[in-house]
Order: sequence, then C-alpha cells, then structure tokens
Amino acid sequence: LAKTTQPISMDSYEGQEVNITCSHNNIATNDYITWYQQFPSQGPRFIIQGYKTKVTNEVASLFIPADRKSSTLSLPRVSLSDTAVYYCLDWIYSSASKIIFGSGTRLSIRP
Amino acid sequence: DTGVSQDPRHKITKRGQNVTFRCDPISEHNRLYWYRQTLGQGPEFLTYFQNEAQLEKSRLLSDRFSAERPKGSFSTLEIQRTEQGDSAMYLCASGGTANTEAFFGQGTRLTVV
Repeated sequence: LAKTTQPISMDSYEGQEVNITCSHNNIATNDYITWYQQFPSQGPRFIIQGYKTKVTNEVASLFIPADRKSSTLSLPRVSLSDTAVYYCLDWIYSSASKIIFGSGTRLSIRP
Repeated sequence: DTGVSQDPRHKITKRGQNVTFRCDPISEHNRLYWYRQTLGQGPEFLTYFQNEAQLEKSRLLSDRFSAERPKGSFSTLEIQRTEQGDSAMYLCASGGTANTEAFFGQGTRLTVV
C-alpha cells in the first residue's frame, strides 16, 4: 500500500503556478520526500527531493513543513508540456530497497 | 534518455507463452528495481537487486515470475505461462550507492492475447 496520499487529478492553465500537495502521515525519521513525474508511455522521472524546509531546482520547488507530514510541489508558470502524472514518495534513504508509488496526481494543463 | 535501457520496447505474445525482458542499468549502479504498471495506476514494485543479490520480492511476484541479475550488471525478468492479466508496462530502474534516487527506463509494454 502507498504510504502517501495526494489528489487524483488537477487542472490548470498555461502560465499559472501549480501547487500539488501530498500527505505523508506515516513518514519515518530517515525518509526523504521525493517527487517523480511521468509522461504517457515513459518511465517516471525524478523531479526533486528534500528532507525539510524548502528545496528549489531548475524544474520545481518543494515545500516541507516542520512536522514533515505533508509536502507541496510547486511548478512555476506551467506549460502544456507539464501535463503528466506526479507522484510523491517517502524515500527510505537508509536502504532504498523498496520504492512505493501511489496512484499519483494527474495534472492537465490547458491553453 | 536516463541511461537505463530496456529491451524489447513492445512485446505481443499469446497466452501460455513465456517471455523474457532485459534491463541494462546505468553503468556501475548497484541497485536495480523491477516494476509493473497498468493503465491509470502507479508503478507496482516487483523486486529489488543490490548487485547480484535479490533482496526484496513483492507478493505480486507469483511463481510464474522470476528475475535474475547474474553478474550484478544487466537483469532479466521472465514470465512463464503468460496470462491476459500480465498485460502491462514493465519498468526497470537503477540507482547508485548514494541511495538518493532511481532512474527509470522507458519500459517494456507487454500485451498478452
């Protein structure tokens, strides 16, 4: 069973900022919060990872509150090419022997 | 291209036949994972190798499924006596010793007719 909970789908428009939230109610002390992106007929692609506070890279920002029970993936100024499924995961840093995906959030971007 | 190669990309087989998929991970990655993904679902974990040792195996992996990684490099996933319910995308991923992320291949789409 997936350890995280996220909305099934979201819609937005080109040029908007999109925030996708995830609940990590069972996160362990050594787990990292990780987000993947998946396009149709492709394997998932790593987007961003963090432990707490805020992480930013060239693709997205990740906000993690102090209790680490939730996270928010922020995509600035989305385009049609950001239409994909986004997965949040509790990454077991100590072993990474079993990476569990949930059903993800299907993000649709409209012109 | 993540550097993880899977072959073939597509496979159509008749029910009852055996199929074998190959995964070539990123060079020197010691971790290797297999997943299965059906339409509208997230990837389901099947099995995990660290070097040549198979350390984790999902209950989803029935006796008809077997995976190997004989020299700690490439891996194969075999499905014996295929069933229509085996139709899915089979994904392979690899990761290095840093344990911080995994890189996925583009998958092998299996159709059992």
